[in-house]
Amino acid sequence: GAVVSQHPSRVICKSGTSVKIECRSLDFQATTMFWYRQFPKQSLMLMATSNEGSKATYEQGVEKDKFLINHASLTLSTLTVTSAHPEDSSFYICSASEQGANSNQPQHFGDGTRLSIL
Amino acid sequence: DQQVKQNSPSLSVQEGRISILNCDYTNSMFDYFLWYKKYPAEGPTFLISISSIKDKNEDGRFTVFLNKSAKHLSLHIVPSQPGDSAVYFCAASGGINDYKLSFGAGTTVTVRA
Repeated sequence: GAVVSQHPSRVICKSGTSVKIECRSLDFQATTMFWYRQFPKQSLMLMATSNEGSKATYEQGVEKDKFLINHASLTLSTLTVTSAHPEDSSFYICSASEQGANSNQPQHFGDGTRLSIL
Repeated sequence: DQQVKQNSPSLSVQEGRISILNCDYTNSMFDYFLWYKKYPAEGPTFLISISSIKDKNEDGRFTVFLNKSAKHLSLHIVPSQPGDSAVYFCAASGGINDYKLSFGAGTTVTVRA
């Protein structure tokens, strides 16, 4: 089946640090990748949609200068949390669709990144 | 505003019995629904889906029922097995050109031996 690899799985760093999270589709090409954030006991909230070779589309309320998304190839998208602060501590998870942005294709998820800002 | 709601945060069921997970939604534009299963420290994995043109979809031990008039769907797992213990997320999207998934908060299922 389709595999999405997300790295790192856990990050603990000081306030003010920028953190980069990678999301790779290992055995398929992902023209569209999605970045979610999950708070404890809450649902996955879509942050942004990244399309290969173009700018990401951010959901309302998500600061694009805070959460930089790059989708440079068909197998890699990165999320950079710039100048992270304790309120950015959360669980971030990416997903990818095999055939572009089509809701009838199930999204395949990475294992997530637990980000803790001290 | 939570458009997909899973009102039961947890469910405990005896092995061999049926697990019934419920999900309600408020957006009448949703027409495609999915269930994902998530183990600790892993990402969600796709389990089963249903289009709004159907009211039932079955895949092995898993059956999803959709009641559009009530804006309600449910996932039945029968018989439940210990390996089914996980968090189950209900998700919905608004059509073939709408790739965005709205997720519920999840239901933690524990299957007792």
